[in-house]
Amino acid sequence: GQQVMQIPQYQHVQEGEDFTTYCNSSTTLSNIQWYKQRPGGHPVFLIQLVKSGEVKKQKRLTFQFGEAKKNSSLHITATQTTDVGTYFCAPLSKAGKSTFGDGTTLTVKP
Amino acid sequence: EAEVAQSPRYKITEKSQAVAFWCDPISGHATLYWYRQILGQGPELLVQFQDESVVDDSQLPKDRFSAERLKGVDSTLKIQPAELGDSAMYLCASSILESSYEQYFGPGTRLTVT
Repeated sequence: GQQVMQIPQYQHVQEGEDFTTYCNSSTTLSNIQWYKQRPGGHPVFLIQLVKSGEVKKQKRLTFQFGEAKKNSSLHITATQTTDVGTYFCAPLSKAGKSTFGDGTTLTVKP
Repeated sequence: EAEVAQSPRYKITEKSQAVAFWCDPISGHATLYWYRQILGQGPELLVQFQDESVVDDSQLPKDRFSAERLKGVDSTLKIQPAELGDSAMYLCASSILESSYEQYFGPGTRLTVT
């Protein structure tokens, strides 16, 4: 079945530092979605990437989809305390099955 | 803004008892998902409905779990009998069409089995 790995599992940063999380799949993906879950909350959709090599930006967040459509990354520039939470990738396989990674939990020290 | 509703928010039950969760998706959303999320892990898909039809229940433990969406609107997930290992957050999500569209999650039901 589809295997999804997110690294790192945890990341602790000082406010103002950058943060990156990576999502790697063993199979070629149809598309990939990213979600954020605040502590005690539920996942909230951030973005969807569809095209090979696609790059999308949302303010301080930059999302990339690999050329081979097997990996993706989320980069946050100059983290703020409001960025704390767990970031999940949710790849969609070519068979149409959605799978969530185990997430990267970000903590930001003021 | 429309939201996915779930009830109850919290449920404590003894092992071997039956428990049921309810979800009301965003109006007009054809696809409904039930996920189980264990602390420290990502949501694991249990069952996916397209309208009233099940399109994926490959990860649903069918010996004890059942799900229905009779009229293609709200849905119920049942566990009978509950086991200690079922303690988790049960999340419901909906999307306007199939999974290539963004999913909107409800607040979840926190289940504790004692």
